[in-house]
Amino acid sequence: AQSVTQLGSHVSVSEGALVLLRCNYSSSVPPYLFWYVQYPNQGLQLLLKYTSAATLVKGINGFEAEFKKSETSFHLTKPSAHMSDAAEYFCAVSGSASARQLTFGSGTQLTVLP
Amino acid sequence: NAGVTQTPKFQVLKTGQSMTLQCAQDMNHEYMSWYRQDPGMGLRLIHYSVGAGITDQGEVPNGYNVSRSTTEDFPLRLLSAAPSQTSVYFCASRAGTGDAAKNIQYFGAGTRLSVL
Repeated sequence: AQSVTQLGSHVSVSEGALVLLRCNYSSSVPPYLFWYVQYPNQGLQLLLKYTSAATLVKGINGFEAEFKKSETSFHLTKPSAHMSDAAEYFCAVSGSASARQLTFGSGTQLTVLP
Repeated sequence: NAGVTQTPKFQVLKTGQSMTLQCAQDMNHEYMSWYRQDPGMGLRLIHYSVGAGITDQGEVPNGYNVSRSTTEDFPLRLLSAAPSQTSVYFCASRAGTGDAAKNIQYFGAGTRLSVL
């Protein structure tokens, strides 16, 4: 079984500051990890994914995440926040490449202050 | 490209009413899923399908029925709506492949349902 914990349901940063959204996972098998973003009144869009090819994963819109097995973490970062980054972010885990569903974290609402 | 299309976008029901949430995808994906999103709980899987004619229960299936008569469509039925079913519902699809690099779910824009 897999589970995901996102630390901090709300995160606020100033425009231009570092964005750090935390995700820790639990999995009995090597995990596949994902970050999704949800803008207001929209569905979820994939930001990036980890599928064991490389531990540092680059995604869209300048986001990246690093898989750290020893810490069971997959934190999402962006060096410089932009107002358009304000959204809700979800970390998700899948137990295998052929897994039929994702297990989602509870989400982190990112606010970017001018 | 339409991707995953959900209708309606908004719906208000009275307790006990029935309705069907529609979901269609034009990517020839084998796997389709329904999730509900509630504040502070992320997305929880209701039902999923691995292909036409095959469905299975997810984490929170009670009160919902699904069917998959075609590859493209995966409707979600509420037989007797309850206030606890007030939520935002998302349909998702992905290709039926074991290739991890392609194991990406695509989501519709959601249906916001209120049950009074």
